[in-house]
Amino acid sequence: QQQVKQSPQSLIVQKGGISIINCAYENTAFDYFPWYQQFPGKGPALLIAIRPDVSEKKEGRFTISFNKSAKQFSLHIMDSQPGDSATYFCAAGMSGSARQLTFGSGTQLTVLP
Amino acid sequence: GAVVSQHPSRVICKSGTSVKIECRSLDFQATTMFWYRQFPKQSLMLMATSNEGSKATYEQGVEKDKFLINHASLTLSTLTVTSAHPEDSSFYICSAKGQGKAFFGQGTRLTVV
Repeated sequence: QQQVKQSPQSLIVQKGGISIINCAYENTAFDYFPWYQQFPGKGPALLIAIRPDVSEKKEGRFTISFNKSAKQFSLHIMDSQPGDSATYFCAAGMSGSARQLTFGSGTQLTVLP
Repeated sequence: GAVVSQHPSRVICKSGTSVKIECRSLDFQATTMFWYRQFPKQSLMLMATSNEGSKATYEQGVEKDKFLINHASLTLSTLTVTSAHPEDSSFYICSAKGQGKAFFGQGTRLTVV
């Protein structure tokens, strides 16, 4: 029940295209859903996060869509750029808890110039 | 935003020696920090939860005598890899919760030769 399933494992997108990464969770107690971006040799950096009281959150070119009934959330990267090439991890957790986040398996995004 | 600083970013040590990795929360107090290990092209694997002023909680399969964790203050947790062996070579990442979010350090690339 703690799993977060992420897909696809890898994604190749042309510059200017839309990158979409999906995640699904099982634990209905989760109320915090962040996305992290990780470049090789670096720690994950918080990109954007959403809580279940909204269905969408947008920050610049990055948008999270959240479907509470389906227990799914996705990251959309608009106008993808080569600099967006990185590994993206979704995660889920309980904001009121000190427990660690449950992470997805990661998506390797490559944006072709 | 909140910052977590991890040091060193890279370390090479000889087999049999010990290595200490520091994780600091720079602008918030973290009663709980987390230590992860990440293998190439894989997600983060939680090793242990570090609690200020008390013993760390280790995940199943993680040797507590090998991976010593000390959380002596609200802003500092350390991970010491004792009697390191080549199979301990990996990317180690710390995380701390602050402002309702989870932030990661820059990671430490440990190479045991």
